[in-house]
Amino acid sequence: GENVEQHPSTLSVQEGDSAVIKCTYSDSASNYFPWYKQELGKRPQLIIDIRSNVGEKKDQRIAVTLNKTAKHFSLHITETQPEDSAVYFCAKEYGNKLVFGAGTILRVKS
Amino acid sequence: GAVVSQHPSWVICKSGTSVKIECRSLDFQATTMFWYRQFPKQSLMLMATSNEGSKATYEQGVEKDKFLINHASLTLSTLTVTSAHPEDSSFYICSRRVRDEQFFGPGTRLTVL
Repeated sequence: GENVEQHPSTLSVQEGDSAVIKCTYSDSASNYFPWYKQELGKRPQLIIDIRSNVGEKKDQRIAVTLNKTAKHFSLHITETQPEDSAVYFCAKEYGNKLVFGAGTILRVKS
Repeated sequence: GAVVSQHPSWVICKSGTSVKIECRSLDFQATTMFWYRQFPKQSLMLMATSNEGSKATYEQGVEKDKFLINHASLTLSTLTVTSAHPEDSSFYICSRRVRDEQFFGPGTRLTVL
């Protein structure tokens, strides 16, 4: 259906460590899976996205993996920095709409 | 990417009044725009899809008579919160889609006293 499950809801990591956030979905029709970063009081900013014809995409310290068979996709942030602290949302397309996960509060401790 | 603006960025109003929020697509014409609502510490929830020249499509549970959407031109969609109450206090964000990507406006913080 429409829902996207996102885990964990909060994640604390030490600066320099990696962070992984996972989302699962149930329908087979979705082909576009973006990830957004939202800082307090600001608009969501697209940080990376993946389409169903690839299994992995990387942009510097950020990567996304997609397993269409298992219906899950994950965000990987390596070498985390304090400025990575924010709320991260996964999303998937549903028709012409985007459906968002519940969000993950990432805290990077220095 | 698409540039989307919103006005006002924040508004405080008394209970029972109506508030209009404007969303503009500054670089491309937009036949479709989207309105989201985000309560504190929650995710973005789609309220409605705004269609230029026709009626908006509302998501289940969103009262169309309370949240009036007008998309009279290809660059402007407006959301009017009618008879606002404190429970309508939220962050309202519009967006437009370019191919797969959604580009969000900066949001409007509504506080109803």
